Amino acid sequence: QVQLVQSGAEVKKPGASVKVSCKASGYTFTSYGISWVRQAPGQGLEWMGWISAYNGNTNYAQKLQGRVTMTTDTSTSTAYMELRSLRSDDTAVYYCARQPIYCSGGSCYLDWFDPWGQGTLVTVSS
Amino acid sequence: QSVLTQPPSASGTPGQRVTISCSGSSSNIGSNYVYWYQQLPGTAPKLLIYRNNQRPSGVPDRFSGSKSGTSASLAISGLRSEDEADYYCAAWDDSLSGNWVFGGGTKLTVL
Repeated sequence: QVQLVQSGAEVKKPGASVKVSCKASGYTFTSYGISWVRQAPGQGLEWMGWISAYNGNTNYAQKLQGRVTMTTDTSTSTAYMELRSLRSDDTAVYYCARQPIYCSGGSCYLDWFDPWGQGTLVTVSS
Repeated sequence: QSVLTQPPSASGTPGQRVTISCSGSSSNIGSNYVYWYQQLPGTAPKLLIYRNNQRPSGVPDRFSGSKSGTSASLAISGLRSEDEADYYCAAWDDSLSGNWVFGGGTKLTVL
């Protein structure tokens, strides 16, 4: 079955970096993209960005531009999200989610998030 | 403050029909598809409705989605105790460089 398995919880100090992995199985990795979404404690969902596993193209949320880098390793079907210069308000559960491109009528769009990884808790604290 | 507006809570009794609204603008819901996600307590979100009103395989037909103008809604009929969860709407937003936006979430309580 299609599955995304993420790396374990992290505790980081302010100013440090964190790199979360997301290993895919059960589908052709390069036929989809991966989006990253985070959820602060007791809060809603925030999209961080998307990477194409086919060609590595990225689209980052403007709010995180310059602090986030998304990459993929097609040899291991794994996606990575690195967030730098961590602050306390970066404390959240970070999710990866498979995301296809849907094309219709000559236009193409990013489509649904499915499935999601189990989530990785990143705690930023001094 | 979320870009898409949802009521923070909703409730119903078993067997009832409940609806959850999601309000946006011309740059998101007004010009793009709407998606709905269900998040059971302590778990990752799960896709419930895609492209306004399509159900993935495995999602019961008790769940339905609709969109009109810059608003969308999720309807759940024949409410069951296992439907108690947080529900989020989402849409692509064409403003700036483009990004996905979510509603703040609606906590559904089955009384």
